[in-house]
Amino acid sequence: EIVLTQSPGTLSLSPGERATLSCRTSQSVTSSYLAWYQQKPGQAPRLLIYGASSRAIGIPDRFSGSGSGTDFTLTISRLEPEDFAVYYCQLYGSSPLITFGQGTRLEIK
Amino acid sequence: QLQLQESGPGLVKPSETLSLTCTVSGDSITSSTYYWVWIRQPPGKGLEWIGNVYYSGSSYYNPTLTSRVTISVDTSKNQFSLKMTSVTAADTAVYYCARPVISAWSYDYWGQGTLVTVSS
Repeated sequence: EIVLTQSPGTLSLSPGERATLSCRTSQSVTSSYLAWYQQKPGQAPRLLIYGASSRAIGIPDRFSGSGSGTDFTLTISRLEPEDFAVYYCQLYGSSPLITFGQGTRLEIK
Repeated sequence: QLQLQESGPGLVKPSETLSLTCTVSGDSITSSTYYWVWIRQPPGKGLEWIGNVYYSGSSYYNPTLTSRVTISVDTSKNQFSLKMTSVTAADTAVYYCARPVISAWSYDYWGQGTLVTVSS
């Protein structure tokens, strides 16, 4: 079983700052299978990044994804007030077929 | 515009069976080359994959739930369904249905989610 570990658990930043969120996998994975989601309270997750680095439709270009192997990063270049939420990474793997990280809470400092 | 809507009882008694349906509108459930999925989220916790189903009925389940879960498709109603037997309080969660569009490996269309509480 591949485990996804996100860090930090909580990130406190101010609007305008840069956010860097990490997702580490317990084994090397194919980048095509790594995605990032944003979730706000009471809402379904929203796909931000697929294939580790491709932005989903309608996602602002301040969101970017990078990484390979076991280390993946979601970067928000300049935080807007609406970006404060919980972020999850997700992997399509072997067993279980789909795994999520435990999430990073991005909160306003 | 593709839309997904979960429906089903919001309260289920312990040891009974949880049954939910995801109704698809704006597209045919048979048109997708990808798998439809159920995902859940206990209150205040993270996301957990339950299982995937293809319109043909082919399915994959989370190994931790496979003995209790069945996901099926009704193409005539453009729906797919989740059944989970022998529920406990640990199955209390918001249940989402979702579907990939851009990539087979991630989910860009989600239902709004439905809260199922397991309690006597």
